Amino acid sequence: GAGVSQSPSNKVTEKGKDVELRCDPISGHTALYWYRQSLGQGLEFLIYFQGNSAPDKSGLPSDRFSAERTGGSVSTLTIQRTQQEDSAVYLCASSLFRSSGYLSTDTQYFGPGTRLTVL
Amino acid sequence: TQLLEQSPQFLSIQEGENLTVYCNSSSVFSSLQWYRQEPGEGPVLLVTVVTGGEVKKLKRLTFQFGDARKDSSLHITAAQTGDTGLYLCAGVMGGANNLFFGTGTRLTVIP
Repeated sequence: GAGVSQSPSNKVTEKGKDVELRCDPISGHTALYWYRQSLGQGLEFLIYFQGNSAPDKSGLPSDRFSAERTGGSVSTLTIQRTQQEDSAVYLCASSLFRSSGYLSTDTQYFGPGTRLTVL
Repeated sequence: TQLLEQSPQFLSIQEGENLTVYCNSSSVFSSLQWYRQEPGEGPVLLVTVVTGGEVKKLKRLTFQFGDARKDSSLHITAAQTGDTGLYLCAGVMGGANNLFFGTGTRLTVIP
């Protein structure tokens, strides 16, 4: 079956411009995550969506970052007034559900990422 | 500040050698996962360990979760060129919605 897809695969933009990154999760997956991977760094959590619940935005680095998830499926991450430090690979992941309780072992399936370069 | 520190950061070995990658933290995790990531792709889950002291084997890969659930290790026996990639550990903390990823270990296996 189809995995998580992201578009575009590469995006080059000028400082100060806005960008939109898209994620198509695996069909039927209710949980969706955005992460950022900078050069030499591990993955940094940005935002989490689960069903119809309010998103967990605790990882967003500034108010220039926002994300939406329409109809419980496709998600768009928007970065306004991009800065050079925003350059990174932005990864999206989805999972079937978010286990409740202490022992969460949901498998997150990652997309290939969007490489963003801000000049 | 990273919750999970991995060592070594870079590792280059000859095919057939053994290696161990470490993932350490001062925090307790409810479970810990290991991923492998290849260039241009997202991370792919290798294993999840849940119980303190747990050992899981996946062919030539052996994963261990520390007794106190603060650390983990990945041991590869007789490395092959196909093992080349970025290895990431990731922890799950009770009450958090996200994975906390380690700093990564970039492994190169030379034929």
